[in-house]
Amino acid sequence: EIVLTQSPATLSLSPGERATLSCRASQSVSSFLAWYQQKPGQAPRLLIYDASKRATGIPPRFTGSGSGTDFTLTISSLEPEDFAVYYCQQRYDWPFTFGQGTRLQIK
Amino acid sequence: EVQLVESGGGLIQPGGSLRLSCAASGFSVSDNYMSWVRQAPGKGLEWVSIIYSNGRTYYKDSVKGRFTISRDNSKNTLYLQMNSLRVADTAVYYCARDQEYWGQGTLVTVSS
Repeated sequence: EIVLTQSPATLSLSPGERATLSCRASQSVSSFLAWYQQKPGQAPRLLIYDASKRATGIPPRFTGSGSGTDFTLTISSLEPEDFAVYYCQQRYDWPFTFGQGTRLQIK
Repeated sequence: EVQLVESGGGLIQPGGSLRLSCAASGFSVSDNYMSWVRQAPGKGLEWVSIIYSNGRTYYKDSVKGRFTISRDNSKNTLYLQMNSLRVADTAVYYCARDQEYWGQGTLVTVSS
């Protein structure tokens, strides 16, 4: 099973700041890496798929990069609605797996 | 508009069975890969099972032999038959179309 490790576990920033979230895979997942945002009581929302492609309706402040084992989600300028938990997920091999999540909280 | 609506969750005793349904609209369940993903209370996400358009299915090891994913094309509905339920299966269960579309989830609580 491919293990995804996200860092940091918690990120405290202010609106307007830049957020950088990391995801490292235990083996190469090529570019089959997605990022999701989840708010309390809601289903996950797909932000980025295939490492760098924005999902439908996702604003350009969300950018994904990386390939192989190291990936990054960057939020260029935080909006109040961006404070949530973020998960990375690989679909390179079954079972598909998620990282443990990064909680992005208001400083 | 793509919509997914789960149902069938509830409180069940350990060892019991439950069938979850996911009614789809705006697309055909047979044309995409469909999945069940679960989230235990206060925990992260876990991809449980998947069914591809060609009918091939996969299961996470912890549910293999106990859970069965299926679809009814005529009803445009995805199912998850869950047998021999354990306390560790307690979670919100989401159905998803590929990675982009998700239902609102249905809570399964396994407890005596």
